[in-house]
Amino acid sequence: GAVVSQHPSWVICKSGTSVKIECRSLDFQATTMFWYRQFPKQSLMLMATSNEGSKATYEQGVEKDKFLINHASLTLSTLTVTSAHPEDSSFYICSATALASTDTQYFGPGTRLTVL
Amino acid sequence: QKEVEQNSGPLSVPEGAIASLNCTYSDRGSQSFFWYRQYSGKSPELIMSIYSNGDKEDGRFTAQLNKASQYVSLLIRDSQPSDSATYLCAVGYTGGFKTIFGAGTRLFVKA
Repeated sequence: GAVVSQHPSWVICKSGTSVKIECRSLDFQATTMFWYRQFPKQSLMLMATSNEGSKATYEQGVEKDKFLINHASLTLSTLTVTSAHPEDSSFYICSATALASTDTQYFGPGTRLTVL
Repeated sequence: QKEVEQNSGPLSVPEGAIASLNCTYSDRGSQSFFWYRQYSGKSPELIMSIYSNGDKEDGRFTAQLNKASQYVSLLIRDSQPSDSATYLCAVGYTGGFKTIFGAGTRLFVKA
């Protein structure tokens, strides 16, 4: 149980384009979903927290107009990196918490974004 | 500000030995504690959660919690090369507050 998927697992795009990453909870309803970014050999950096049907809460220093988060249902959240640039290249990981255990985060497999 | 501290390592142990990973946290209001394992290039995977003082065992893994000392540890018995990874300590709070992650400790198990 508690499986989280992400799509795509990797993506390469040109500078200036937008990229959408999907995060789905496959066998549970997610009260909250989190989006993290991780650069090589660095720790997880929380970008934003989203609850179904409400606006995401962004961490300090994360541009909400650049990283658009939509949490349309209890099983799906999307992160759109708008006008991507090479410095946005990173490993993007989502996690979700279930109704039954709101403090335990289950992570998706991550999406590796490379911006050329 | 809530903080979770871990020694970045690397911690190197021989195969078959006990690996001991430590974590301290700053907020006495912390309610739940987690250990995640992250292999290079992969996302974190939940290993164990612990909520009460004392030890909790699951196979080769034992989590230890001491709320008075604000300290949580993970012991890995009979360490295997496949245990080589970064181990993340995470501290959670009830009421919907976010979980705080430590920066992780890199573990190398030498064959």
